Amino acid sequence: AQKVTQAQTEISVVEKEDVTLDCVYETRDTTYYLFWYKQPPSGELVFLIRRNSFDEQNEISGRYSWNFQKSTSSFNFTITASQVVDSAVYFCALSEDQTGNQFYFGTGTSLTVIP
Amino acid sequence: DTGVSQNPRHKITKRGQNVTFRCDPISEHNRLYWYRQTLGQGPEFLTYFQNEAQLEKSRLLSDRFSAERPKGSFSTLEIQRTEQGDSAMYLCASSYYRDRAFFGQGTRLTVV
Repeated sequence: AQKVTQAQTEISVVEKEDVTLDCVYETRDTTYYLFWYKQPPSGELVFLIRRNSFDEQNEISGRYSWNFQKSTSSFNFTITASQVVDSAVYFCALSEDQTGNQFYFGTGTSLTVIP
Repeated sequence: DTGVSQNPRHKITKRGQNVTFRCDPISEHNRLYWYRQTLGQGPEFLTYFQNEAQLEKSRLLSDRFSAERPKGSFSTLEIQRTEQGDSAMYLCASSYYRDRAFFGQGTRLTVV
C-alpha cells in the first residue's frame, strides 16, 4: 500500500533560519514519483519539485533543496534562510508510474516564518 | 495559459441538496483529476479522466458522487443528497498525460 507520512504537523521558525520538512513514504512499486507542493492560504497547490525513483541526486533550486534517500524511504525538503513568504502548508506526495498524477498526499506540515 | 479554473469558489448548501462544481482545465491537457481535501488533511484522490473517459475512481467516490467530462474539456462533479461530511475543499488538476499536474484554487463546500 502507498503511504506518505509527514510527522511534523506545525513548525515555527524565525526569519532567516533554515528549516527542514520531513517526508517518509511507503510503496511496493519500484518505479514511482515523489513531489512537494506548497499550499498558501489561497488554497491552490503550487508545484515545487518532482523526482522519480531512479534519480537519487539531491537537488537545489535557489533557497530550496531536496534530499532523496531511497535507503530510508525519505524525501526531505530544506528551506535555507527562510522568509515570511514561505509561510504555508507543505505537502509531500507519491504517485505510481502508470498514472503519474494520481497522488497519495501526506497530511502536510504547516510552516510559519516569524519576522 | 490561464491555468485551471474552478467554479464556484465557495458553495454553502443545506443538507440533502444537490450541488455541482465545474473545472476548466488548461487547454490541451488531456488528463483531469478531482481531489477532496478536508480540514487539516492532505488532498485525497477521487477520480481522473483521460479525455472523456473516466479511468479511475477511488472508493471515496460513493454513489452520491458523479463526475463527467463529456467532451474531454471541462468536467463537472456532482454530489447528490449532500451530507455534512461532504464539507471539504474540492480540487481539480489537469496535465498532459504524465507531465506535471497543475491545480486549480478549489471549490470550498460547506454543508449546513
